Amino acid sequence: DIVMTETPLSLSVTPGQPASISCKSSRSLLHSDGKTHLYWYLQKPGQSPQLLIYGVSNRLSGVPDRFSGSGSGTDFTLKISRVEAEDVGVYYCMQGIQLPWTFGQGTKVEIK
Amino acid sequence: EVQLVESGGGLVQPGGSLRLSCAVSGFTFSTYWMSWVRQAPGKGLEWVAMISDDGGAKNYVDSVRGRLTVSRDNAKNSLYLQMNNVRAEDTSVYYCARHQLGMHAFDFWGQGAMVTVSS
Repeated sequence: DIVMTETPLSLSVTPGQPASISCKSSRSLLHSDGKTHLYWYLQKPGQSPQLLIYGVSNRLSGVPDRFSGSGSGTDFTLKISRVEAEDVGVYYCMQGIQLPWTFGQGTKVEIK
Repeated sequence: EVQLVESGGGLVQPGGSLRLSCAVSGFTFSTYWMSWVRQAPGKGLEWVAMISDDGGAKNYVDSVRGRLTVSRDNAKNSLYLQMNNVRAEDTSVYYCARHQLGMHAFDFWGQGAMVTVSS
């Protein structure tokens, strides 16, 4: 199985400041179809997860542009340019290139 | 508006059975792959099972293979998860989730159904 490792596991951020989460996979997520199957989700407290980013860097419609994804191969990053109170929750990366699809352990983001 | 609504959760004894349902609306169900994802209390997300748009392809995480069965009824816009011979470690919130077209990202999720396995 592909292991997804997120760092840090928790993050405390002052509103308006940037935040960054790293996700590393145990094998390349670049598929022969040319797509990289790396996704980011946010699970807000008491809610279901929601998709933020797919294909490394594509924001789902409606996701604020303060969220951005980058990376390639096995190393990926989610950045929030200016954290807002509504961004609190647990962020998960996930790989969709090989079954079983697997998630990172999650990074909890809270506001200082 | 896309909606996924799970039902059928509850308390079940070890070794028992339960069937979860996911009723969908707001999109053409028969053109989307679907999955079940679970989350044990206080833990992270775990993909459990997937089914292709026509039901012809299914796959499972090893820990549930042979005990949990995913199915769908495109005429009824419904997804199912039959849970047999359940174990304590199956205790989780179970989410149904829609696959994004062309990708395996889950772009819409239900609100979740809690399954508790306990005697």
